[in-house]
Amino acid sequence: DTAVSQTPKYLVTQMGNDKSIKCEQNLGHDTMYWYKQDSKKFLKIMFSYNNKELIINETVPNRFSPKSPDKAHLNLHINSLELGDSAVYFCASSQATGGGNIQYFGAGTRLSVL
Amino acid sequence: GIQVEQSPPDLILQEGANSTLRCNFSDSVNNLQWFHQNPWGQLINLFYIPSGTKQNGRLSATTVATERYSLLYISSSQTTDSGVYFCAVGYNDYKLSFGAGTTVTVRA
Repeated sequence: DTAVSQTPKYLVTQMGNDKSIKCEQNLGHDTMYWYKQDSKKFLKIMFSYNNKELIINETVPNRFSPKSPDKAHLNLHINSLELGDSAVYFCASSQATGGGNIQYFGAGTRLSVL
Repeated sequence: GIQVEQSPPDLILQEGANSTLRCNFSDSVNNLQWFHQNPWGQLINLFYIPSGTKQNGRLSATTVATERYSLLYISSSQTTDSGVYFCAVGYNDYKLSFGAGTTVTVRA
């Protein structure tokens, strides 16, 4: 069973469209994340939810809106897609224990905006 | 925010060679993780190591928190070790800041 699963794996779309990426984890973790990896492979956190509550919201355009219907799911909706949104988006989850948290990543969603 | 520097940026190894990757960070951390991103893009957690030394097979890692660096050792490298190795550090329970990575190529 895949621990952190994202769909779709690939997403090709036109500028101006709206798209969503879904993420689900079956690890029983209470914290989930979205990361963006750019063309130079640099990884940067975008959002984090803990028990459905937003706890990290980095400097991300408000065209990006995360939604967590329950602690096992964290979806990412992107409005009015731009060329610069092309990247690989990773979902991750962890169980923060007070001594730190080990993050487990999904396989990524490669978004190409044409 | 916390700065993370990894060196070298690129490393080419002959199969069977040993190597050391370094991660320097600019502030105190309570979370440090090493990840391997394989050529297919999958990110795998290798170590959670905010301090001390750990070993897992041919890989080991050491973090000297007081001196703000961590080292990842690869021994007897294999072609499957190819990929990008990331160091990520955190100063609270949730947020990790990633370094730019070391791209390792192991040649048969």
